[in-house]
Amino acid sequence: EAGVTQSPTHLIKTRGQQATLRCSPISGHTSVYWYQQALGLGLQFLLWYDEGEERNRGNFPPRFSGRQFPNYSSELNVNALELEDSALYLCASSFLQLDQPQHFGDGTRLSIL
Amino acid sequence: QKEVEQNSGPLSVPEGAIASLNCTYSDRGSQSFFWYRQYSGKSPELIMSIYSNGDKEDGRFTAQLNKASQYVSLLIRDSQPSDSATYLCAVYSGAGSYQLTFGKGTKLSVIP
Repeated sequence: EAGVTQSPTHLIKTRGQQATLRCSPISGHTSVYWYQQALGLGLQFLLWYDEGEERNRGNFPPRFSGRQFPNYSSELNVNALELEDSALYLCASSFLQLDQPQHFGDGTRLSIL
Repeated sequence: QKEVEQNSGPLSVPEGAIASLNCTYSDRGSQSFFWYRQYSGKSPELIMSIYSNGDKEDGRFTAQLNKASQYVSLLIRDSQPSDSATYLCAVYSGAGSYQLTFGKGTKLSVIP
């Protein structure tokens, strides 16, 4: 069974540009979660999608947005990039059940120059 | 606000010893508990899940849950240098919240 896949692995942008990160969940999982992890820090919850709808978002500005497609894949868009957006962006997927864990992809490392 | 607290460490143990990692949570309605291992620069990897009070063993790993005291722990027996990583505690709260709350993690260092 294929795991959660994320692309690209690395992304280099400059300030003010826009970045798009992509995630394909494990087959059968309907929920997709996005996290930001700055170097040396903990996981910060960004967004949660389920069945194509945004269910919750973390304490991030509106320039962080995303969507979930009918096949449950998802993309995260970050507009007007700032230096502090440099981080590892992790996508996780799960079944929508309280006893089911989230499974993580390998992440996209976004570097802002 | 639902919180999950872990000692940040680093926790240093000699090779072959037992490493004990602890986690407390604030929401008494929490139902499901998970431990993830994260190597530096890598993504978190699920290593244990526990749902009811008591112990759950999987190889060298034992998860312990005490809902009355609102804590969950992870024991690693016969610690190996390859166990050196950050361990994240994650909790699903009750009331229909399908969102995991993660602790900040405990960094474990196993000394050869």
